[in-house]
Amino acid sequence: GAVVSQHPSWVICKSGTSVKIECRSLDFQATTMFWYRQFPKQSLMLMATSNEGSKATYEQGVEKDKFLINHASLTLSTLTVTSAHPEDSSFYICSAREPGGSRYEQYFGPGTRLTVT
Amino acid sequence: ELKVEQNPLFLSMQEGKNYTIYCNYSTTSDRLYWYRQDPGKSLESLFVLLSNGAVKQEGRLMASLDTKARLSTLHITAAVHDLSATYFCAVSQGGSEKLVFGKGTKLTVNP
Repeated sequence: GAVVSQHPSWVICKSGTSVKIECRSLDFQATTMFWYRQFPKQSLMLMATSNEGSKATYEQGVEKDKFLINHASLTLSTLTVTSAHPEDSSFYICSAREPGGSRYEQYFGPGTRLTVT
Repeated sequence: ELKVEQNPLFLSMQEGKNYTIYCNYSTTSDRLYWYRQDPGKSLESLFVLLSNGAVKQEGRLMASLDTKARLSTLHITAAVHDLSATYFCAVSQGGSEKLVFGKGTKLTVNP
């Protein structure tokens, strides 16, 4: 099946700094990727839909100026957490769908654990 | 607004027993997914259900979908310890690719 990677797998940063997380589709081109956030022992919440070549679509309640999404190519989307605060500490997971796949499968990356101190 | 409810949220069972996890959703959808998540890991796809009456089986897990009742079930047969994980159902929103997840069911299988 299709593979989605994320980098880094974990990151610790100081409050007030910015962190960039990369999501790559390794063996297919993804015009659309999704970014989710998962707090400990909770479910996944969709943050935004990342569209190649256009602006991301953010879910209600997600600050677009704080969570910057760039989908610069068909295989790469990045999420930048700007001016991070401890409450941004979470598990961030991206997903992508392989175009043309009849199973409507979404493939999830391995996740990035962000800790803001 | 699409809402997805899973129950139970916690399930402790003995090896060899059978049990069912339920997933209800509030509005019409055309796709339902089941995922497994191990602690500290991302999601592993288990099943994608596309039509009413769809039934899929993989090993000790079987998923079904009743679109009229807006209900999916994940049935566990003769549970083994390796099945211990958190199971999520997710439903696509109105023809889009966006997924709304249930809260997850944390399954613990005791020897």
